[in-house]
Amino acid sequence: QLQESGPGLVKPSETLSLTCTVSGGSISHYYWSWIRQPPGKGLEWIGNIYYSGSTNYNPSLKSRVLMSVDTSKNQFSLHLSSVIAADTAVYYCARGTYDSDATSHYYYYMDVWGKGTTVTVSS
Amino acid sequence: SYELTQPPSVSVSPGQTASITCSGDKLGDKYASWYQQKPGQSPVLVIYLDRKRPSGIPERFSGSNSGNTATLTISGTQAMDEADYHCQAWDTSAVVFGGGTKLTV
Repeated sequence: QLQESGPGLVKPSETLSLTCTVSGGSISHYYWSWIRQPPGKGLEWIGNIYYSGSTNYNPSLKSRVLMSVDTSKNQFSLHLSSVIAADTAVYYCARGTYDSDATSHYYYYMDVWGKGTTVTVSS
Repeated sequence: SYELTQPPSVSVSPGQTASITCSGDKLGDKYASWYQQKPGQSPVLVIYLDRKRPSGIPERFSGSNSGNTATLTISGTQAMDEADYHCQAWDTSAVVFGGGTKLTV
């Protein structure tokens, strides 16, 4: 199971910080993603982090995103700086599987998702 | 950047077959996944690696991927299948989602 936690309200220009706690299994040997969904819109991938700490970020958000992992607590975190109203969304964490086939075609899919947490950016 | 395109909406009568498409440049050379999302709930993986079903997903859900189009097919569609469906692929070290399709049964 995955559980997101963090403030539900963040002021413009401040940093949004969320944590995802992994329970019922180890955080090791998987990739861990953050995805968000603005009200009434589709899913937007923010980035992922491997348990070792390596990261991939959405190019459109890369300058404002920082992810970290704490294997001792089975947690990983998202920090999104300089937030604006457009960052208002439901934020999900999810477990990802990343691998390649025999012809080196890489794939990534997310098979376990948290329930999501609503974050509103407003003064 | 890579883009995936889905129709905004698809309608189907109960018991009929629903097909939801996802288009992207040479998408057939990548692997597609599909997620079902009901109102107020988090997404659920229904298809991965183009055509594989996770444990617990009914057999009426199937997938294919060739050329520039991946397709999610729901056979014998039931009222409980009414939801938003999102396709997803991996490209240049990033996850890409389609815009989502609202399936009305």
